[in-house]
Amino acid sequence: ILNVEQSPQSLHVQEGDSTNFTCSFPSSNFYALHWYRWETAKSPEALFVMTLNGDEKKKGRISATLNTKEGYSYLYIKGSQPEDSATYLCALYPSGGSNYKLTFGKGTLLTVNP
Amino acid sequence: DVKVTQSSRYLVKRTGEKVFLECVQDMDHENMFWYRQDPGLGLRLIYFSYDVKMKEKGDIPEGYSVSREKKERFSLILESASTNQTSMYLCASVQVNTGELFFGEGSRLTVL
Repeated sequence: ILNVEQSPQSLHVQEGDSTNFTCSFPSSNFYALHWYRWETAKSPEALFVMTLNGDEKKKGRISATLNTKEGYSYLYIKGSQPEDSATYLCALYPSGGSNYKLTFGKGTLLTVNP
Repeated sequence: DVKVTQSSRYLVKRTGEKVFLECVQDMDHENMFWYRQDPGLGLRLIYFSYDVKMKEKGDIPEGYSVSREKKERFSLILESASTNQTSMYLCASVQVNTGELFFGEGSRLTVL
């Protein structure tokens, strides 16, 4: 079973703060790395799908970077807002994987206080 | 607006009952998945299906079965519910050109 680690497990920030969290994965097993945002009472939604080492993707105030050689990805949120409060999940699609089966980390729960 | 719909948001069942969780997607996706989410454990794959009537076990299939009679519908079945199956269940389908998963809103099952 692949080990996908996310840190921290939870995080409380004030509105306006910038924050970041980490996803680690076995670098030898990489094909693609996904980030999802899961707000309470809603469906998890894809933020980014990343495949290339050094890739950086951005959606509004949220961005992500990828280092496949060392096996980590960072998710950054600039100027956090209360609506950013959610669980952020990363998931690995490994090399040699099949049928689009992802292995998920346990998530980082972000709470943004107004 | 593309959608994955799970039939029940909240269910309460008794130990030993047979439970059906239904999932329908309108995106013509071939691959569909059932996950469960538990505090501190993250999303774990129960079963997946890559075509009508085709299914494979995920990481935690014990106590579950699935049915995929039509492309758009993927059902999770608990033959005899137990208290350790109290959980949040998520259905998803995959857009194959990006690998992106589309999720339903989840079904929170409590087994008493």
